[in-house]
Amino acid sequence: GAVVSQHPSWVICKSGTSVKIECRSLDFQATTMFWYRQFPKQSLMLMATSNEGSKATYEQGVEKDKFLINHASLTLSTLTVTSAHPEDSSFYICSALGTANTEAFFGQGTRLTVV
Amino acid sequence: SQQGEEDPQALSIQEGENATMNCSYKTSINNLQWYRQNSGRGLVHLILIRSNEREKHSGRLRVTLDTSKKSSSLLITASRAADTASYFCATITGGSYIPTFGRGTSLIVHP
Repeated sequence: GAVVSQHPSWVICKSGTSVKIECRSLDFQATTMFWYRQFPKQSLMLMATSNEGSKATYEQGVEKDKFLINHASLTLSTLTVTSAHPEDSSFYICSALGTANTEAFFGQGTRLTVV
Repeated sequence: SQQGEEDPQALSIQEGENATMNCSYKTSINNLQWYRQNSGRGLVHLILIRSNEREKHSGRLRVTLDTSKKSSSLLITASRAADTASYFCATITGGSYIPTFGRGTSLIVHP
């Protein structure tokens, strides 16, 4: 099956710094990728939809200037958490839509801890 | 907004017993996927079932889909302690192609 690689798997950063998370589709081209956020013991909430070559579409309540999404190629989308604060600590996971647009494949997630 | 709702929210069983989790959704789907998530870890894909399928098996896992009731179930047979995890269903609907997750079922299997 299709593979989506997410990097890093975990990161600890200082408050005020920025962190970039990468999401790569390894064996297929993904024009559409999704970014989710998961708080402890809760479900995954969609943050934004990332389309190759265009601006991301953010869900209501998600600050686009804080969570910068770039989808510059058909195999790579990045999420940058800018000026991170402890409340941004969470589990972030990406998903890539397969070429048939009927299957989504998920990365392994990134655990961000802001200290 | 969440499309799927898992039931029960928590399930505690003894090793060797079967575990059944249900997922209900609101709108028509292209497919439905079940995932497992161990505490603090990423998602592990278990099974994908398409809207024109009614049942799929994978090892000790059995997934059913009833599109008329807009529901799916995941059955884990002969459960093991290692099956302890949270289980989520994710649906993809025809219009948006966006995977939408349910709240998940937390399964604890006691050895």
